Amino acid sequence: EIVMTQSPATLSVSPGERATLSCRASQSVSSNLAWYQQKPGQAPRLLFFGTSTRATGIPARFSGSGSGTEFTLTISSLQSEDFAVYYCQQFKNWPLTFGGGTKVEIK
Amino acid sequence: EVQLVESGGGLVQPGGSLRLSCAASGFTFSSNAMTWVRQAPGKGLEWVSSISGGGRTVENADSVKGRFTISRDNSRNTLYLQMNSLRAEDTAVYYCAKGTSSYWWTFDYWGHGTLVTVSS
Repeated sequence: EIVMTQSPATLSVSPGERATLSCRASQSVSSNLAWYQQKPGQAPRLLFFGTSTRATGIPARFSGSGSGTEFTLTISSLQSEDFAVYYCQQFKNWPLTFGGGTKVEIK
Repeated sequence: EVQLVESGGGLVQPGGSLRLSCAASGFTFSSNAMTWVRQAPGKGLEWVSSISGGGRTVENADSVKGRFTISRDNSRNTLYLQMNSLRAEDTAVYYCAKGTSSYWWTFDYWGHGTLVTVSS
């Protein structure tokens, strides 16, 4: 099983600042990585698939990068609606696995 | 507009059974892989089961193998999850999710979720 590790667990950021979230895979997943955003009481929302392909309606302030075992989600200038939990997910191998999540909170 | 509506959750005793349904609309259901993902209270996301559009590919998490069965009825645009021998650790919100057309096992639409509580 590929273990996905996200860091930090919690990120405190002021509105307008940049946020950088990390996701590490225990073995290479190539570019078979997705990112999701989840707000309290809501279902997850797809942000990126294939590492850096932005899903429909995702603002350009979000960007995804990386390959192999190291991936990054960057939010260039945090807006109020961006405070949420973010998950990475690998789809290289079964079982599909998610990271434990990074909570982005208001500083 | 794509819609996924789960139903069938509820309170069940350990060892009991439930069948979840996910009614899909707004897309060609038979052309898309579908997946169940669950989230225990206050915890992260956990993949449960996936099925390809035609139903030929089925994969299950080890934690549910032999107990849960994913299936689909493309004539009814409905996804199912039959859950048997339920355990306390199966308590979670269960989401159905639609695979993207490019990558079957990433999920571009999710239902609102249905809560399954396993408790005596």
